[in-house]
Amino acid sequence: AQKITQTQPGMFVQEKEAVTLDCTYDTSDPSYGLFWYKQPSSGEMIFLIYQGSYDQQNATEGRYSLNFQKARKSANLVISASQLGDSAMYFCAMREAVTGNQFYFGTGTSLTVIP
Amino acid sequence: ETGVTQTPRHLVMGMTNKKSLKCEQHLGHNAMYWYKQSAKKPLELMFVYNFKEQTENNSVPSRFSPECPNSSHLFLHLHTLQPEDSALYLCASSQVGQRGGRETQYFGPGTRLLVL
Repeated sequence: AQKITQTQPGMFVQEKEAVTLDCTYDTSDPSYGLFWYKQPSSGEMIFLIYQGSYDQQNATEGRYSLNFQKARKSANLVISASQLGDSAMYFCAMREAVTGNQFYFGTGTSLTVIP
Repeated sequence: ETGVTQTPRHLVMGMTNKKSLKCEQHLGHNAMYWYKQSAKKPLELMFVYNFKEQTENNSVPSRFSPECPNSSHLFLHLHTLQPEDSALYLCASSQVGQRGGRETQYFGPGTRLLVL
């Protein structure tokens, strides 16, 4: 079974609007971390935000926030006030404590910001 | 220089060639990774080196051969590749410490490989 599922291959958002990118995960390990990365057309994967399974509050980093719903096993990324530079691929990833340093990635969501 | 660097950024090679990809991290991390990224597929983990020791090898064909001479450098040696090996090859590093910790992976810019 897929460890990370991203069901939105492509998304469009108007500049200055907010957008939510979906991510669900599958694990039986009580200790895990969830990550979001941005990949512009240049190819480099840029770390955006982290959420730990024991964190009580949703993570926030500037315009990025993570809507963490543990019971539903979802970790959606919310980008507020979208900018043209936000157009990129976005990947959700998970790392389980039991598997150590192995990261599992989803297939990604392509976000296009429309002026 | 900071972060993770990869060379070359682009590579075109024939199926009979031998080439090497290089990755260097300047973050003081103790783990390094090779990933393959093909279109419309999740990132595929190829190799993991933890404290210079290979800990993962996810059934990668022997035409890919990794080398990790120290904790800052990682190579991927390529020989007799196939056209389906054309992809973006990403290197990453992380600091492995507490299990389930916050240690994220930091990625290099990747090498775009085309096998003709």
